[in-house]
Amino acid sequence: KAGVTQTPRYLIKTRGQQVTLSCSPISGHRSVSWYQQTPGQGLQFLFEYFSETQRNKGNFPGRFSGRQFSNSRSEMNVSTLELGDSALYLCASSLWQAEGGYTFGSGTRLTVV
Amino acid sequence: GENVEQHPSTLSVQEGDSAVIKCTYSDSASNYFPWYKQELGKGPQLIIDIRSNVGEKKDQRIAVTLNKTAKHFSLHITETQPEDSAVYFCAAPKGGSQGNLIFGKGTKLSVKP
Repeated sequence: KAGVTQTPRYLIKTRGQQVTLSCSPISGHRSVSWYQQTPGQGLQFLFEYFSETQRNKGNFPGRFSGRQFSNSRSEMNVSTLELGDSALYLCASSLWQAEGGYTFGSGTRLTVV
Repeated sequence: GENVEQHPSTLSVQEGDSAVIKCTYSDSASNYFPWYKQELGKGPQLIIDIRSNVGEKKDQRIAVTLNKTAKHFSLHITETQPEDSAVYFCAAPKGGSQGNLIFGKGTKLSVKP
């Protein structure tokens, strides 16, 4: 069965721009979570969507937002990009919740210049 | 809130030796403890997990132990091989089974042939 697909794999953006990242979960998985991974801070939770509703939210500014569609696909958006937003953005899907394990995608590497 | 601490941050072993990585968590409601392996250029992959009603779980060369009283859990890899070289992350859910996963900072394991 297909894994979690994230697009694009790489992105280079300029400060002040906005970006949209996409995630297609494993078929049948209804929960999609987003994480930011950086060398200094590790894996930090952004938000989780379940059945098109945001169920959990991390401690990121309002510039970071997301949504989930009826087919469970999810997008995250970062507006007014800052240099510090450069990171690997990982999407993880699960059937219902974290228990049972996440399946991660390979991530989108965002570089802000 | 939930905090997960992981030690050591780097670990170097000879092929065939054992490796142990330890984590502590703070949220008493946590009841599920997964371990992930991340190879270069890939997203983290679930390798083993344990639930709070079990003290130990084994899967071939890897095992996880849990001490709920002390809020400790550990990953044990026996007979290490070069392909075990990767970054390993422990995690625990924030606020119970429907919470998002909080990850430790990671352990970079190097297995020398």
